[in-house]
Amino acid sequence: QQQVKQSPQSLIVQKGGISIINCAYENTAFDYFPWYQQFPGKGPALLIAIRPDVSEKKEGRFTISFNKSAKQFSLHIMDSQPGDSATYFCAASIRGLTGGGNKLTFGTGTQLKVEL
Amino acid sequence: SQTIHQWPATLVQPVGSPLSLECTVEGTSNPNLYWYRQAAGRGLQLLFYSVGIGQISSEVPQNLSASRPQDRQFILSSKKLLLSDSGFYLCAWWGKSVGDEQFFGPGTRLTVL
Repeated sequence: QQQVKQSPQSLIVQKGGISIINCAYENTAFDYFPWYQQFPGKGPALLIAIRPDVSEKKEGRFTISFNKSAKQFSLHIMDSQPGDSATYFCAASIRGLTGGGNKLTFGTGTQLKVEL
Repeated sequence: SQTIHQWPATLVQPVGSPLSLECTVEGTSNPNLYWYRQAAGRGLQLLFYSVGIGQISSEVPQNLSASRPQDRQFILSSKKLLLSDSGFYLCAWWGKSVGDEQFFGPGTRLTVL
């Protein structure tokens, strides 16, 4: 019930295209859904996050779509660029109303390659 | 602003040798601290987390231990390294205030030969 299932495992997109990575969860108590971007040899960097009270959040070319009834959320990268080539991890946690500081349950990661 | 440091950046150790990896956070107080391990091309495995000084929770029984001697210092240790301990070790912090999020350090690449 604590798992977060992420797909696809790898993805190749042409420059300028849309990259879509999907995640599904089981635990309905999850209320915080971040995405991390990791380049080889670096620590993961927080990219964008969403709470379940909204269905979509956009920051620049990155958008999270959230479907609470389906228990799914996805990352869309518009106008994908070669510099977006990295591994992307979705995650979920129970944060509640009293603040942060909990454990993130991570998906298994998606290796994105954007080709010229 | 907050900063997280890890050292060393890379480490090559023989099997059976001890290990000490250090993580320190600046610019915040009383954070939650985490140790993760990432095998080559794999996902993130939570090893330990700490909500305060001297408070350590272990997620996976293994050859490693963690300690938090100071509020913003988190140490990962082993008395005798195994080949299977090789990997990329990541420290992370997460503040306890509403709206805080989890941030990772730069990582330590450990190779056990």
